[in-house]
Amino acid sequence: QKEVEQDPGPLSVPEGAIVSLNCTYSNSAFQYFMWYRQYSRKGPELLMYTYSSGNKEDGRFTAQVDKSSKYISLFIRDSQPSDSATYLCAMSGPGGYNKLIFGAGTRLAVHP
Amino acid sequence: DAGVIQSPRHEVTEMGQEVTLRCKPISGHDYLFWYRQTMMRGLELLIYFNNNVPIDDSGMPEDRFSAKMPNASFSTLKIQPSEPRDSAVYFCASSLVGTGSYEQYFGPGTRLTVT
Repeated sequence: QKEVEQDPGPLSVPEGAIVSLNCTYSNSAFQYFMWYRQYSRKGPELLMYTYSSGNKEDGRFTAQVDKSSKYISLFIRDSQPSDSATYLCAMSGPGGYNKLIFGAGTRLAVHP
Repeated sequence: DAGVIQSPRHEVTEMGQEVTLRCKPISGHDYLFWYRQTMMRGLELLIYFNNNVPIDDSGMPEDRFSAKMPNASFSTLKIQPSEPRDSAVYFCASSLVGTGSYEQYFGPGTRLTVT
């Protein structure tokens, strides 16, 4: 079993939809949770970062962490075609936030 | 800032050849990371450096892989000898710790094909 599980999709939604992306993990020691966005043939870029449990909102994006369920989510409101990309969850443990474990990534397509 | 610079962007080589990938981190960053991305295994951390010193190389798959960081502005990842299963996109990333930011800035990647 992988430490971090993420449905690879693809996920196809119409413009304006609310998108929900999720990851589950097995290591209860994880403390740092991140979402990276990767456009085709580009390097990943950090979208959201959360430490421990709770919610964090940034514009149209909301990240949630539920440590009791070992489950993290990223919500995208009013999705746009420019949101079409692969979204990777990443997390790390008490050894430091540098050693990231990535999920497989979910490919999202937002069509006009 | 130009961001993280990687070269070459594409590399095609034959099995058994030596491959050297290069990375220039963002100026002033004190951490440098090498990742490998494949369809089967996703994005995996290979090794990372802090102030040019290797901190964790537990992700390096085999002795055929080696990484160096001779100074703060340059790092190499070498594969010798290369094998077809090494075909992947290799990313370099850098970060600056201590500013409250945990972001790793990724380069554009080097797409390696070993035939």
